[in-house]
Amino acid sequence: GAVVSQHPSRVICKSGTSVKIECRSLDFQATTMFWYRQFPKQSLMLMATSNEGSKATYEQGVEKDKFLINHASLTLSTLTVTSAHPEDSSFYICSAMGQGITGELFFGEGSRLTVL
Amino acid sequence: GENVEQHPSTLSVQEGDSAVIKCTYSDSASNYFPWYKQELGKRPQLIIDIRSNVGEKKDQRIAVTLNKTAKHFSLHITETQPEDSAVYFCAASIRNSGYSTLTFGKGTMLLVSP
Repeated sequence: GAVVSQHPSRVICKSGTSVKIECRSLDFQATTMFWYRQFPKQSLMLMATSNEGSKATYEQGVEKDKFLINHASLTLSTLTVTSAHPEDSSFYICSAMGQGITGELFFGEGSRLTVL
Repeated sequence: GENVEQHPSTLSVQEGDSAVIKCTYSDSASNYFPWYKQELGKRPQLIIDIRSNVGEKKDQRIAVTLNKTAKHFSLHITETQPEDSAVYFCAASIRNSGYSTLTFGKGTMLLVSP
């Protein structure tokens, strides 16, 4: 099946710094990618939909200036958590839908962010 | 928007028993219903999905049923094994030629005891 790779898998940063997470589709082109956040023992909450070559669509309550999303190519989307604070600590997961593949979304491995 | 309710939140069974997880959805336009298995700290893995033109689908020990009228779908796992222990999420979306946003249920933690 299609592969989505996410990097880094774990990151620890100091409060106030920015962290970039990359999501790559390795063997297919992804016009659209999705970014989720998952707190411990909770479900996946959609943060934003990333479309190649255009601005991301953010879900209600998600600060677009804090969570910067860039989808500059058909194989790469990035999420930058700006001025991170401890409450931003979470598991961030991306997913992608491949062109010509009907139905299935493929998830990245996830990135665990810990803000000290 | 779509709202997906999932029950139970936790489910404990003995090895060999069956497990059933139930979900309801609110948007009658939803036509795609995947189920994901997520082990601790790992990515969700698609285990089975069903589309609205089908009432039931089976893959070895796993089956999913869909009742469009009631807006209800269920995951059935038979002959459970300890390695089935994980969190299971149902989801619903409107799947057309473009992208679709998945709305997830809150998850069910399944524990299979040997």
